[in-house]
Amino acid sequence: AQSVAQPEDQVNVAEGNPLTVKCTYSVSGNPYLFWYVQYPNRGLQFLLKYITGDNLVKGSYGFEAEFNKSQTSFHLKKPSALVSDSALYFCAVRLPGYSSASKIIFGSGTRLSIRP
Amino acid sequence: NAGVTQTPKFRVLKTGQSMTLLCAQDMNHEYMYWYRQDPGMGLRLIHYSVGEGTTAKGEVPDGYNVSRLKKQNFLLGLESAAPSQTSVYFCASSYSQGDYNEQFFGPGTRLTVL
Repeated sequence: AQSVAQPEDQVNVAEGNPLTVKCTYSVSGNPYLFWYVQYPNRGLQFLLKYITGDNLVKGSYGFEAEFNKSQTSFHLKKPSALVSDSALYFCAVRLPGYSSASKIIFGSGTRLSIRP
Repeated sequence: NAGVTQTPKFRVLKTGQSMTLLCAQDMNHEYMYWYRQDPGMGLRLIHYSVGEGTTAKGEVPDGYNVSRLKKQNFLLGLESAAPSQTSVYFCASSYSQGDYNEQFFGPGTRLTVL
């Protein structure tokens, strides 16, 4: 079965330290990969995406993600965490070759907590 | 530019009651979606629409109906609410060109069914 996994329910990081939120996927073909962030009582906001090309993509708020085809991963990273980065982060995969929106798969989410 | 808006923000229903959630977008997007978010389960697609007058089932469509009579609006209906439909509901929209377009989400509707 095709799936997206975010293996950590919660990630705790001290402010100023680098952070990584992990995402791995199991799909056939070459998927499109997305990261979204959700702040409390808000809808999801798009952060960044990988479609093709450079494996390192940069997005909003200083976040970046690295696509690793051999490890089927798309980890979200930031060199220096801010307290304001504390939120719920979702990885999503859109399966190639489908125009149907039903082929979007979201991970279960990782709660990022940045301590001052 | 309001983006994606949802009405209402909160609602409490009794089992068996019906209600309609309204989603509106002002970005001229073709695609619109309804998701439900439950703890530890991420987002699950209920129904979606690829254009005015069209709808299709997603991953968890049972107990819900939808309509897209106008391009900017996407309605989600619960005909006979059940406690299992207690959830946070999100509407989203996206451009139609290509599967690589990100989605824009509304602020959500928190629904409790007693």
